[in-house]
Amino acid sequence: GQQVMQIPQYQHVQEGEDFTTYCNSSTTLSNIQWYKQRPGGHPVFLIQLVKSGEVKKQKRLTFQFGEAKKNSSLHITATQTTDVGTYFCAGGLTQAGTALIFGKGTTLSVSS
Amino acid sequence: DGGITQSPKYLFRKEGQNVTLSCEQNLNHDAMYWYRQDPGQGLRLIYYSQIVNDFQKGDIAEGYSVSREKKESFPLTVTSAQKNPTAFYLCASSIYLAGIYEQYFGPGTRLTVT
Repeated sequence: GQQVMQIPQYQHVQEGEDFTTYCNSSTTLSNIQWYKQRPGGHPVFLIQLVKSGEVKKQKRLTFQFGEAKKNSSLHITATQTTDVGTYFCAGGLTQAGTALIFGKGTTLSVSS
Repeated sequence: DGGITQSPKYLFRKEGQNVTLSCEQNLNHDAMYWYRQDPGQGLRLIYYSQIVNDFQKGDIAEGYSVSREKKESFPLTVTSAQKNPTAFYLCASSIYLAGIYEQYFGPGTRLTVT
C-alpha cells in the first residue's frame, strides 16, 4: 500500500544547531501536512503544502514540497529547547479526501 | 471552549474484554478519525468518518469497530479480536477550510490490556 517514509527516526542536536527531517512518498501526493507532538502530548498541526515546489516559512521553520510532489522536508534553523518533540509528515492522496498517511516521525532532542 | 475530548486518559482491561473509547468534539467538524500510536510506529489510521452514519476502514481496522450516530461523537470499540490492543489511541477531527484539512487531535487514551 501507499507509504510515507520519514528520516531520520531520531536526531539529537546542541541548542543553536540546525535540524532537518525528510519525507518521501511512494506515490504522488495531493498535499502534505506537518505536525508536531510534544512529549506526552498530542499532534498539533503546523502547516499544509499543496503546490509543486512550494516553500513556506514559519519563523525558524522552513517547509518544502518537492517538484514531483513525492517528497518534503522540514528545516529548523538554530534549534531551541522548545523545539523538542516528534515531527510528523502526513500525506494527503486526494484533494477531496480527508484521510492522511502519516510518516513514523522524527524525534528531536535538544541539549543546551 | 471548543475542542476534542477523549475519556478516560488511562484505561486498563483484562484480555478477552471489549472496551469502548470515547471521543467527543464540539468544533462542528464533519470528519473524524481514530489513530493508534505505538512507539516508533507513528500514527496508523484505524477508522475514519466523513459524515454522520458513514465510516471507512483505515489501514489497521481489524479487531476494531466504530459508530457515527451523531456529528459530535465517534466512539471506538476495541474488541477481543484485536491481537495486540495495548497502545495510545488518538481521536481527531477536521474540517475543510480555505483549502486545508487541518486535523485537530484529542489528548488521547492510553489503553493497557493484560
